[in-house]
Amino acid sequence: QSVLTQPPSVSAAPGQKVTISCSGSSSNIGNNYVSWYQQFPGTPPKLLIYDNNKRPSGIPDRFSGSKSATSATLAITGLQTGDEADYHCGTWDSSLSAVVFGGGTKLTVL
Amino acid sequence: EVQLVESGGGLVKPGGSLRLSCAASGFTFSVYSMNWVRQAPGKGLEWVSSISSSSSSINYADSLKGRFTVSRDNAKNSLYLQMNSLRAEDTAVYYCARDQSNYLEFDLWGQGTLVTVSS
Repeated sequence: QSVLTQPPSVSAAPGQKVTISCSGSSSNIGNNYVSWYQQFPGTPPKLLIYDNNKRPSGIPDRFSGSKSATSATLAITGLQTGDEADYHCGTWDSSLSAVVFGGGTKLTVL
Repeated sequence: EVQLVESGGGLVKPGGSLRLSCAASGFTFSVYSMNWVRQAPGKGLEWVSSISSSSSSINYADSLKGRFTVSRDNAKNSLYLQMNSLRAEDTAVYYCARDQSNYLEFDLWGQGTLVTVSS
């Protein structure tokens, strides 16, 4: 059971928009930065979003992050088949003194 | 090239030990906090441990305390994870990851090394 809650899977058609939620509590998301990672099968995760809503260099602006209270959301617009991957949210948990991740969400582009 | 390369994984019997290494290159290793993150087959990410740039601050996941020990050698640009009393549930790909700004957000990951604990 992960500390952060993500839907196991989401799907949408090419060109559409999809959102992936990440729910936590005041000890983690509520008071710390959230990051998002994209992971293709057999490869390491890649930083997609940091500090809730910032994109590393090279990440297209089709990817955006937001946070409200104890929940965070990753939005992907203009979906492409190449976006099919697992997406993980992560943050620091001040009560656990540990980094916590969501269980991961598998994105399918139909 | 900026990269992290893990090594030391393999098959080990329950109760055994293993030492993982992570070699850093292409950046100033000594100024970054580093982490180990693992991923069991078909599962999500699980943070294992973090170590600050000077080794002055070390944290572990509660479930691993006492069995795993993280260390680093800045002169050798290397990160280590000593794993003792291994259990079947420790079977996973172990990644080393760089903390980009001390907010525990990981901007550089190695390819991972697989640890399999089985008799």
